[in-house]
Amino acid sequence: NAGVTQTPKFQVLKTGQSMTLQCAQDMNHEYMSWYRQDPGMGLRLIHYSVGAGITDQGEVPNGYNVSRSTTEDFPLRLLSAAPSQTSVYFCASRLTGGGNYGYTFGSGTRLTVV
Amino acid sequence: ILNVEQSPQSLHVQEGDSTNFTCSFPSSNFYALHWYRWETAKSPEALFVMTLNGDEKKKGRISATLNTKEGYSYLYIKGSQPEDSATYLCASMDSSYKLIFGSGTRLLVRP
Repeated sequence: NAGVTQTPKFQVLKTGQSMTLQCAQDMNHEYMSWYRQDPGMGLRLIHYSVGAGITDQGEVPNGYNVSRSTTEDFPLRLLSAAPSQTSVYFCASRLTGGGNYGYTFGSGTRLTVV
Repeated sequence: ILNVEQSPQSLHVQEGDSTNFTCSFPSSNFYALHWYRWETAKSPEALFVMTLNGDEKKKGRISATLNTKEGYSYLYIKGSQPEDSATYLCASMDSSYKLIFGSGTRLLVRP
């Protein structure tokens, strides 16, 4: 198993550009989430999904869209990049089965918006 | 949105010391409490997932307890080693399945 794969690892965008951060998992996990990590603020939840076709907003959803057309993939779209979206983005997935499973995290995407 | 708080923010201990951290979370609509270990330049790794009041879990020298009625969890490290140096994150999940993280406790163990 490859686990949770995020691409790209690094990206520089200009203000106003759009892009999609990719996340794929091969563990048949139902739950997937996107977090951003900023200095001193820990991990903040952007969007999450409890299964294919189902998504919901987290703590900081503005400026981001997600979709979950398959169990494996959960892309994060930045609609019009802003410098405030400079961050490290982590995708994570886990099984359902109640609350008994921890998340497996991808290796992160470091995004800089200039 | 849940408010998950961790203390202390950072901790420096000597090798061999035992230490503990606190995580507080809202007790209403509680579903599960997670602890993660996050080493520099790596991704967070799950340590424990606890759901029941009074739960205690242990992995080697690390253990955790859970009190869902008062909304807190403790993480204990016995006989700290330099390789325990990392940021320890707790996260609370409510009935909507959102997992919200605290800002972490950064542990540095001096040889």
